[in-house]
Amino acid sequence: EVQLVQSGAEVKKAGESLKISCKGSGYSFTSYWIAWVRQMPGKGLEWMGVIYPGDSDTRYSPSFQGQVTISGDKSISTAYLQWSSLKASDSAMYYCARPKTGIRYGMDVWGQGTTVTVSS
Amino acid sequence: QSVLTQPPSASGTPGQRVTISCSGSSSNIGTNIVNWYQQLPETAPKLLIYSDNQRPSGVPDRFSGSKSGTSASLAISGLQSEDEADYYCATWDDSLNGVVFGGGTKLTVL
Repeated sequence: EVQLVQSGAEVKKAGESLKISCKGSGYSFTSYWIAWVRQMPGKGLEWMGVIYPGDSDTRYSPSFQGQVTISGDKSISTAYLQWSSLKASDSAMYYCARPKTGIRYGMDVWGQGTTVTVSS
Repeated sequence: QSVLTQPPSASGTPGQRVTISCSGSSSNIGTNIVNWYQQLPETAPKLLIYSDNQRPSGVPDRFSGSKSGTSASLAISGLQSEDEADYYCATWDDSLNGVVFGGGTKLTVL
């Protein structure tokens, strides 16, 4: 079964660092992009950026460039999303998702989501 | 403010047909494929329609997508109570060099 499994919920304080993960299985992890999508409480979906685990090519939405870092470790089929200094406004649900084929295509596999809560 | 514009809400009674619109521009919908996602309460989004009008395996044919110019639409026929969810359109934007989502439409089945 093709699936993405994300790390568990996090509760942090403003200013702390954080790295959440997304582990792929059931498919060739290095052959598909992995995207990160943010959903703030009661709000819509926002595309943050993507990584191609095969060569670590990474692209960011202009809204998130410089705010987060997307990385991956193909040896363990895992993608990461990290913050160096969290803000209360980073409190949200974060999903990883796999585009069907290329970067522009629909995302047909989604992780279960990781809730990040940041207190000020 | 989302790059793609959707109505915030839509509603219908069981059995009815409803449509949800998604308006964009020449840098996104006008030149790229549109995808639609369904998000049931407290769950991860699910790909509902891809490449403007294709249904993934397992998605009922009650759901259909279309596109014309810089606008796209999702149609749901034979509305069922389990269709009550948030629906999002998405596409690539050539100016922003990334995926953009609509603000989402909350569908209520009356």
